[in-house]
Amino acid sequence: GAVVSQHPSRVICKSGTSVKIECRSLDFQATTMFWYRQFPKQSLMLMATSNEGSKATYEQGVEKDKFLINHASLTLSTLTVTSAHPEDSSFYICSARQGVNGYTFGSGTRLTVV
Amino acid sequence: DQQVKQNSPSLSVQEGRISILNCDYTNSMFDYFLWYKKYPAEGPTFLISISSIKDKNEDGRFTVFLNKSAKHLSLHIVPSQPGDSAVYFCAASASGANSKLTFGKGITLSVRP
Repeated sequence: GAVVSQHPSRVICKSGTSVKIECRSLDFQATTMFWYRQFPKQSLMLMATSNEGSKATYEQGVEKDKFLINHASLTLSTLTVTSAHPEDSSFYICSARQGVNGYTFGSGTRLTVV
Repeated sequence: DQQVKQNSPSLSVQEGRISILNCDYTNSMFDYFLWYKKYPAEGPTFLISISSIKDKNEDGRFTVFLNKSAKHLSLHIVPSQPGDSAVYFCAASASGANSKLTFGKGITLSVRP
């Protein structure tokens, strides 16, 4: 079946630094990937839709200059949290769409900003 | 405005009994619905889905029922097993090139041995 690899699984960074999270579709090509954020005991909130070769589409309230998304190939999308602050600490999850309704999720990244 | 609602935050059932997880939606454009299982610090795992042209889809112990007129769907797990204990998310999408998933808040299922 479809596999999405997300790396790193957890990262701790200092306030003010930037962190890059990678999302790879291992056995299929994904023209569209999605980035979610989940707070404790909350739903998965869609941050942005990443389209290969074009700019990402951000959801309302998500700062595009803070959460940089790059989808340079059909198998890789990256999310960079720039100038991270403690309030950015969260669980970030990517998803890749295969076909019309096939959504496969990565294993998530626990970001802790200290 | 929450378009996918899972109003019960938790459910506890005895092993071997049926688990019924409910989900309601408000967006009439949704035409595809999915259920995901999630453990802490992991990504969601796909369980089962249903298209709006159907009212039931079954896969082993998992059955999803869709009532379009009521904008309601439910996931039935029978028999429930302790390994089913997890958070279950209902998600929905609308057809189109820009389709994306909208998730409910999830429900924590605990299956007691």
